[in-house]
Amino acid sequence: ETGVTQTPRHLVMGMTNKKSLKCEQHLGHNAMYWYKQSAKKPLELMFVYNFKEQTENNSVPSRFSPECPNSSHLFLHLHTLQPEDSALYLCASSQRTSGSSGELFFGEGSRLTVL
Amino acid sequence: AQSVTQLDSQVPVFEEAPVELRCNYSSSVSVYLFWYVQYPNQGLQLLLKYLSGSTLVKGINGFEAEFNKSQTSFHLRKPSVHISDTAEYFCAVRNYGQNFVFGPGTRLSVLP
Repeated sequence: ETGVTQTPRHLVMGMTNKKSLKCEQHLGHNAMYWYKQSAKKPLELMFVYNFKEQTENNSVPSRFSPECPNSSHLFLHLHTLQPEDSALYLCASSQRTSGSSGELFFGEGSRLTVL
Repeated sequence: AQSVTQLDSQVPVFEEAPVELRCNYSSSVSVYLFWYVQYPNQGLQLLLKYLSGSTLVKGINGFEAEFNKSQTSFHLRKPSVHISDTAEYFCAVRNYGQNFVFGPGTRLSVLP
């Protein structure tokens, strides 16, 4: 199993659809992250979970709803999205958020297109 | 607050030539420094990191970077690039216990 796995790799949805992105890490880490990567923009941190508790919500619109049932799994539930939400959504994990110098391990991303 | 600047958005270079990708950061405290690479349609992969100790850090694929505290820089270098090095490169900083801050990225294009 690769370190951080994201599914689906590609997703096309209409503005009224409801879909979910899934992330699973096999590294024994305790912190998980969602990032948004849009063309011509820096990487944007969306959400951070540490030991299953959400520790950061970076002013993300409520049409994005994260869920972290355990330290190995992270979901991003999507509903009523806008075309400008089209982007590459990257999941990452690290040993923990505080008291650590450890790096982030990224999945390959889910390419989302909103029509 | 921390910030990361990558002055060059695009760097074209011929195959087998040397390359330097520049990274400068601002922070009021000590930081950890990272370089990540992103190949097309993939996630970010760690190239190298500086935590402490020797200021010259060697990473994967023949890359190295030098931490310069006085200039708050962490430039990435490779003495001879290959076509396969074509990718986007991101510099990042992390304060102990804080979240990562990424630079805007530098697109390296290696030309035959």
